[in-house]
Amino acid sequence: LAKTTQPISMDSYEGQEVNITCSHNNIATNDYITWYQQFPSQGPRFIIQGYKTKVTNEVASLFIPADRKSSTLSLPRVSLSDTAVYYCLVGSDNYGQNFVFGPGTRLSVLP
Amino acid sequence: GAVVSQHPSRVICKSGTSVKIECRSLDFQATTMFWYRQFPKKSLMLMATSNEGSKATYEQGVEKDKFLINHASLTLSTLTVTSAHPEDSSFYICSATSGRTNTGELFFGEGSRLTVL
Repeated sequence: LAKTTQPISMDSYEGQEVNITCSHNNIATNDYITWYQQFPSQGPRFIIQGYKTKVTNEVASLFIPADRKSSTLSLPRVSLSDTAVYYCLVGSDNYGQNFVFGPGTRLSVLP
Repeated sequence: GAVVSQHPSRVICKSGTSVKIECRSLDFQATTMFWYRQFPKKSLMLMATSNEGSKATYEQGVEKDKFLINHASLTLSTLTVTSAHPEDSSFYICSATSGRTNTGELFFGEGSRLTVL
């Protein structure tokens, strides 16, 4: 079973901020939280990763509360090209990890 | 960042033939690689985890004799779909962990679309 749950879909308009929350109640101490973006017929690509508190890079921010049982990906001022499926994944490089994806969130950005 | 390359990106084959898909880590050694299958508008489904030099660990419901996985070196894993049938048509994606940071970041290939006629 996937270790994460997310909303199946979200709609937004260009220029708005989009927040996608992922629940991972059984996150392990060594697990990191990583978000990926996938366009049709392409492999997923890395967006952002964090362990706790807040992480920001040039494309997104990641908010992680103290209990780490959830995380929120924030995309500022989305554009049409941000229409994609977004997955959160928890895990580490520890031997024996199998990275099982949840259903992801299908974001549709409208003009 | 670490780069993973898959080949071929598209392949069409006749029913009953076997198809091999290669996954290479170009600038790092991948001790662990993962193979996923994805149907249209569905999430990635983990098929198997392969560790260099050992047998792959298959997920429940994945036929190991149908989907042969070989991870003979630290930079190459292959997935062979044996005696392919139309229901094997799908998008296959490989990924790897680099082992550099221990943060569980996966590096994905571009994917391979298999069409079985």
